[in-house]
Amino acid sequence: NAGVTQTPKFQVLKTGQSMTLQCAQDMNHEYMSWYRQDPGMGLRLIHYSVGAGITDQGEVPNGYNVSRSTTEDFPLRLLSAAPSQTSVYFCASRDLFSSYEQYFGPGTRLTVT
Amino acid sequence: SQKIEQNSEALNIQEGKTATLTCNYTNYSPAYLQWYRQDPGRGPVFLLLIRENEKEKRKERLKVTFDTTLKQSLFHITASQPADSATYLCALHDKLIFGTGTRLQVFP
Repeated sequence: NAGVTQTPKFQVLKTGQSMTLQCAQDMNHEYMSWYRQDPGMGLRLIHYSVGAGITDQGEVPNGYNVSRSTTEDFPLRLLSAAPSQTSVYFCASRDLFSSYEQYFGPGTRLTVT
Repeated sequence: SQKIEQNSEALNIQEGKTATLTCNYTNYSPAYLQWYRQDPGRGPVFLLLIRENEKEKRKERLKVTFDTTLKQSLFHITASQPADSATYLCALHDKLIFGTGTRLQVFP
């Protein structure tokens, strides 16, 4: 099992550009989520999903969109990047019914200039 | 608002000693609490989960306590090793509200 994979690992964007951060898991987990991690702020939940076709907002959803068309994939879209979105982004997944343990991806470091 | 506090200052201890990290929370009554380890440039890795009706949980050299009256969890690493050096995060609730983490440095 590859676990949770994220691409790209690093990305630099200019203000106003759009992009999609990819996240995939091969553990057949129903629950997937996106976090951003900033110095002194800890991990903050952006969006989450409890299954294909179902998404919901977390603590800091503004400026981000998500969709869940398959169990495996949960992409995060930045529609118009802003410097405030410079951060490290982590995707995570877990089995919805048998365990609360979350498995995290390696992260994407995003810089918006 | 819900708040989780972990000591933002790094904890430096000598190899072989017991490291104790603290997680305090307010305005919340979590059904369970988790501890994760994070190494530089990597995603967090799950270590332990403790439920509100459990006072203590152990896993090898790790021990977690959960005091719902004090709204506090303590995370202990006994016989610490330099390889234990990392940032340790506590998290509440099923959506995992995270603390900012405490960096542990174990020196020989």
